[in-house]
Amino acid sequence: QKEVEQDPGPLSVPEGAIVSLNCTYSNSAFQYFMWYRQYSRKGPELLMYTYSSGNKEDGRFTAQVDKSSKYISLFIRDSQPSDSATYLCAISYTGNQFYFGTGTSLTVIP
Amino acid sequence: DTGVSQDPRHKITKRGQNVTFRCDPISEHNRLYWYRQTLGQGPEFLTYFQNEAQLEKSRLLSDRFSAERPKGSFSTLEIQRTEQGDSAMYLCASSLAQGLAGELFFGEGSRLTVL
Repeated sequence: QKEVEQDPGPLSVPEGAIVSLNCTYSNSAFQYFMWYRQYSRKGPELLMYTYSSGNKEDGRFTAQVDKSSKYISLFIRDSQPSDSATYLCAISYTGNQFYFGTGTSLTVIP
Repeated sequence: DTGVSQDPRHKITKRGQNVTFRCDPISEHNRLYWYRQTLGQGPEFLTYFQNEAQLEKSRLLSDRFSAERPKGSFSTLEIQRTEQGDSAMYLCASSLAQGLAGELFFGEGSRLTVL
């Protein structure tokens, strides 16, 4: 069983839609939860970071962690064409080694 | 540019040849990571260094792979006797051990094609 599972999509939404991206993970000992965004032919860049459980908001982005269900989510409000990218969830036990999901490809249509 | 830089950006080689990739991290970062990413997959952890010490290696890192960070600055990843299955993007990332855990700064990757 992989440490983290992510639906690869692809996901296509109209501009302005609310996007929900999700991952599930295998071990309740994971404590660090991140979302990265990766544009084509670029390295991933950190979007959101959560330690332990709860919600975190940053502008149009909200990250949620539900440790009881071992489920993490990223919501994007008022989606823009510039949000079109692959979104990767990443988890870690200690903040040293990070396990990435397969990524969800998102296209926001103008 | 003060980001993570990787060289070469693209390498095409024949099966059985050796290849070496270089990564220059952000200068004040003491941690350096190597990941491998294939099409449609997320990055897979290979190894990481804190300063010059290699602290962790993945089981994915066969004995044909070796990584070094001799002076705690740049790092090299060498693949010996390349196989077609080694074709992938090799990503380097750096971070501060005392900084936000998970805040990895990635380079743009070195794409390897093994013919």
